[in-house]
Amino acid sequence: DTAVSQTPKYLVTQMGNDKSIKCEQNLGHDTMYWYKQDSKKFLKIMFSYNNKELIINETVPNRFSPKSPDKAHLNLHINSLELGDSAVYFCASSQSGGGSYEQYFGPGTRLTVT
Amino acid sequence: DQQVKQNSPSLSVQEGRISILNCDYTNSMFDYFLWYKKYPAEGPTFLISISSIKDKNEDGRFTVFLNKSAKHLSLHIVPSQPGDSAVYFCAAEDSGGSNYKLTFGKGTLLTVNP
Repeated sequence: DTAVSQTPKYLVTQMGNDKSIKCEQNLGHDTMYWYKQDSKKFLKIMFSYNNKELIINETVPNRFSPKSPDKAHLNLHINSLELGDSAVYFCASSQSGGGSYEQYFGPGTRLTVT
Repeated sequence: DQQVKQNSPSLSVQEGRISILNCDYTNSMFDYFLWYKKYPAEGPTFLISISSIKDKNEDGRFTVFLNKSAKHLSLHIVPSQPGDSAVYFCAAEDSGGSNYKLTFGKGTLLTVNP
C-alpha cells in the first residue's frame, strides 16, 4: 500500500507546454512538500504546504504553481516548460512540519523537456 | 551556497566492514539532522536522525555521530551489507524556524562489495 504516490513517473514534453504532476499521501500527514533534484543531484525544496496553507515558497519561477485541494493531495502545475525544468521532482509528506517528523518521499517524477 | 556538504561523492567498502559517511554544515542554526537513503528510481527513505542536544544516536547497524563544534556529522554502518549500496543524503533543519525546511547535501554513493 503506497504511502506517497506520484503520477506520472515519467513525463516527456516539449518546451512551451504546460504540465501537471500529481501527488497523494495516505498517511494522514498535515504537511506536504515538493522537491526538485537537478542534474547536479542536489535535492532542493520548492514548496511546502501545511493543512493546505503555503508555508515554504523558495525562489521558484512563477511558472510553477502548487495546488493543494485537500490535506492528502499536493499537485504541481508547470506553465511554459523550459529545458532547465528537466529534473526529477519528488513529493513528500510529514506528520507535522519540520525534520523532527521524518519526511516520506514519493518515487519521483522524471520530467524531460525537449 | 551549500549549507550542507557531503564532500565524498562515492565510497566503496567490503561487505562486513565499516562504512563511514561524512557530512559538514555551515549554518549554526541547524539543530536537527537526518540521514536518508535512496535507491535508483525510488524516493529517499528516512534512515536515522539526531538532535543537536545529543552527540550520538544508534539504530541497529546504523549510528550517527554529531560534533557540533566542528559542524560535522557522520553515519557509521557496521557491518556493511551489499543491500546498503545506495545514495546517502545528509539533511539538516533549523527547527526553531517556522518553515519546516530541510536542507540536503548532494549525497554520497555507497557501494558495498560482496
